Amino acid sequence: SQQGEEDPQALSIQEGENATMNCSYKTSINNLQWYRQNSGRGLVHLILIRSNEREKHSGRLRVTLDTSKKSSSLLITASRAADTASYFCATGPRNTDKLIFGTGTRLQVFP
Amino acid sequence: EAQVTQNPRYLITVTGKKLTVTCSQNMNHEYMSWYRQDPGLGLRQIYYSMNVEVTDKGDVPEGYKVSRKEKRNFPLILESPSPNQTSLYFCASGRTGLSYEQYFGPGTRLTVT
Repeated sequence: SQQGEEDPQALSIQEGENATMNCSYKTSINNLQWYRQNSGRGLVHLILIRSNEREKHSGRLRVTLDTSKKSSSLLITASRAADTASYFCATGPRNTDKLIFGTGTRLQVFP
Repeated sequence: EAQVTQNPRYLITVTGKKLTVTCSQNMNHEYMSWYRQDPGLGLRQIYYSMNVEVTDKGDVPEGYKVSRKEKRNFPLILESPSPNQTSLYFCASGRTGLSYEQYFGPGTRLTVT
């Protein structure tokens, strides 16, 4: 399987703290996306970073991409209880039209 | 409202009884796909479609069929469901290729006894 791996599997923090989750993948990619899923619901797109980009910001989200290490990180700054969810990275491998999801990081933010 | 709809949302069925889960999107997206989500395994792509009459296998296509006769619809067919197909299924759509975000449906929880 070309599935990505998120790390850590689970993360618990207090409101106001920053949350960092990492994603590693196996093949060359066109882009990498991050999604959020509230318990049992559909996924919601957060941010997309292309293979020629190194960093991208969107509000309290910061994504980095290191194609030489085949890894990405998602940083959520000043977390809120409402950020409690599972976060998935998804890669679009080069030369395919598949979308490969990782196993996810479960984030719990305590008020 | 731009959305992806799936029906049914919940389904309990028995082994071997053919079923279809419908998926429809109103965003004129070319790309549509089906995923299954199982604990500890994340989301795995079953089938995807780049456009009408164009479908291709994802990572776990065994036991499933799809069709894309119209741009807006992408039904998932289980001809002879088995208990190992008990899962949470998601349909998603997006613009051509994967340089664009995918919009997900609300999910269909399927139990096969």
